[in-house]
Amino acid sequence: DTGVSQDPRHKITKRGQNVTFRCDPISEHNRLYWYRQTLGQGPEFLTYFQNEAQLEKSRLLSDRFSAERPKGSFSTLEIQRTEQGDSAMYLCASSLAVTGPQETQYFGPGTRLLVL
Amino acid sequence: DQQVKQNSPSLSVQEGRISILNCDYTNSMFDYFLWYKKYPAEGPTFLISISSIKDKNEDGRFTVFLNKSAKHLSLHIVPSQPGDSAVYFCAASLFSGTYKYIFGTGTRLKVLA
Repeated sequence: DTGVSQDPRHKITKRGQNVTFRCDPISEHNRLYWYRQTLGQGPEFLTYFQNEAQLEKSRLLSDRFSAERPKGSFSTLEIQRTEQGDSAMYLCASSLAVTGPQETQYFGPGTRLLVL
Repeated sequence: DQQVKQNSPSLSVQEGRISILNCDYTNSMFDYFLWYKKYPAEGPTFLISISSIKDKNEDGRFTVFLNKSAKHLSLHIVPSQPGDSAVYFCAASLFSGTYKYIFGTGTRLKVLA
């Protein structure tokens, strides 16, 4: 197993266009998270899936953002009508549910989005 | 409302010496803490973690200390190596239906050869 993978690694788009990112988690992991990181900040939580169910969304996730995990494996994050403020690194992480709070998330390499 | 704070944006250490990275948090309900290392253009890589029921965890050159009364976390790297040069993030989690992490803003460590 090669860890969490994300595609594409880089995306440049024009304001107003739609973009979609893909995340493939570690194969046996049933939990999947999306985070966003901007310059000088730590990653910020966007949304969380357990299997195919989206269980939590941050208020950072405006209605232009939608995420899916249709078969409980890979996930997609779509941004509609992109704005320059959406420029960031989008990180995906996965984890295996354990009993108790000691659950470690493993991150992918991220997709860097630049909106012109 | 920054619940996890890393007040030192950067740190320089000589190779072979100890690096100490600090992290403060405000929410006493956090129950799990982690340190991640991040190289440019890569995702964060898990380094070491500690449960709130412990005060120390060690893994090779890396040791994490937790002082719950002070709401303070630190990462010690001994001996520091040039390959340790990266941005280090501390993160905390609180189970509230999910195990989402709250990250600090990072400390850039530079280990000088």
